[in-house]
Amino acid sequence: AQSVTQLDSHVSVSEGTPVLLRCNYSSSYSPSLFWYVQHPNKGLQLLLKYTSAATLVKGINGFEAEFKKSETSFHLTKPSAHMSDAAEYFCVVSLAGNNRKLIWGLGTSLAVNP
Amino acid sequence: DTGVSQNPRHKITKRGQNVTFRCDPISEHNRLYWYRQTLGQGPEFLTYFQNEAQLEKSRLLSDRFSAERPKGSFSTLEIQRTEQGDSAMYLCASSLALTSGYNEQFFGPGTRLTVL
Repeated sequence: AQSVTQLDSHVSVSEGTPVLLRCNYSSSYSPSLFWYVQHPNKGLQLLLKYTSAATLVKGINGFEAEFKKSETSFHLTKPSAHMSDAAEYFCVVSLAGNNRKLIWGLGTSLAVNP
Repeated sequence: DTGVSQNPRHKITKRGQNVTFRCDPISEHNRLYWYRQTLGQGPEFLTYFQNEAQLEKSRLLSDRFSAERPKGSFSTLEIQRTEQGDSAMYLCASSLALTSGYNEQFFGPGTRLTVL
């Protein structure tokens, strides 16, 4: 069965410092992995996706994630946080070839302090 | 705005009443999904359509829930005899049905339901 664990429910960083949001997955198949962001009163937006190509994936707004099969991890990083990055972030897994069904983590709330 | 839209954005109802939500997907998208999100949780899949056909339903979708997409464009989600446990954000998403690659799902802003 597929599952996703986001290791931190809340992360707080200072503006200009690096961001690390951790995600571990479990999948019996070759997974596709995604990070979505949810700003207050806005729809979920895809940040980036891994679909069995390059293991280091670049997304929007300067975010990156690295797929590490040996560690079953897909951590999200950004070198320098901006105030506008404050939001809820979700790590998501889907079955390869079955992109209809997304399995979502519980989310990590990112706070960015001035 | 050509994104996914949902109406209403907020709905407050009394227990036992019926409610209906509407989702308008991106116009060229033939897949449409409904999710439910409660506080502190990620979205949970409810159901999805390809064109007008409802192809998959989660066991979360009890008999009180029904979804339609009559002409393959907009969709409605109806909850009958609402219960307090139905209070949640109901999210709609749409995507293209591609033969390969990831079919990115684009999400609407959601309808927040409060059952008193």
